[in-house]
Amino acid sequence: DIQMTQSPSSLSASVGDRVTITCQASQDISKYLSWYQQKPGKAPKLLIYDAINLETGVPSRFSGSGLGTHFTFTISSLQPEDIATYYCQHYDNLPPYTFGQGTKLDIK
Amino acid sequence: QVQLQESGPGLVKPSQTLSLTCTVSGGSISSGAYYWSWIRQNPGKGLEWIGYISDSGSTYYNPSLESRVTISQDTSKKQFSLRLSSVTVADTAVYYCARSASGPPGNFQHWGQGTLVTVSS
Repeated sequence: DIQMTQSPSSLSASVGDRVTITCQASQDISKYLSWYQQKPGKAPKLLIYDAINLETGVPSRFSGSGLGTHFTFTISSLQPEDIATYYCQHYDNLPPYTFGQGTKLDIK
Repeated sequence: QVQLQESGPGLVKPSQTLSLTCTVSGGSISSGAYYWSWIRQNPGKGLEWIGYISDSGSTYYNPSLESRVTISQDTSKKQFSLRLSSVTVADTAVYYCARSASGPPGNFQHWGQGTLVTVSS
């Protein structure tokens, strides 16, 4: 199985800050990476797919980059409604599809 | 807009079979373009993909669960289902159904709200 290593596991930032989360795949997954946002008691919500593409309706302050094994998720200016846990997930050719362990983001 | 809703027992006894159904509204489950997955989340292991069924009925399961999992579909009812046999307390989790975006099977664009299943005697 492809392992997804996400860091940090938790993060505290101020409103307006730039926030960055990284995700490392244990082998080359090309562009096949998604980022999800999960708020307490809710299902994950797709934010970014194919590593860099913003899902329809998602604010432009969210962005993704990377290819191969190293990926980055960025919030350019943190808003109070962005408090959530964020997950990366690969969907390369070969299942099983695996998720990172999550990054819990809160307001400082 | 497609919507998914999980249903099924919230409590299952150890060694029994967990059965859940996902009902789809706002779209077809036999259009030929999508994959329908089950994913679970428990505090100890995070998010775990269980398996999928395609619009055409082909399935693929997580090897870690493959011996105990069956995913099936009823296109006339716009439903797909999960059966997980011989459950233990480790199978206690929130279970989600999800639909892929068009393209790769594992890009989960739409999710149900989730249903908590507790395994306990």
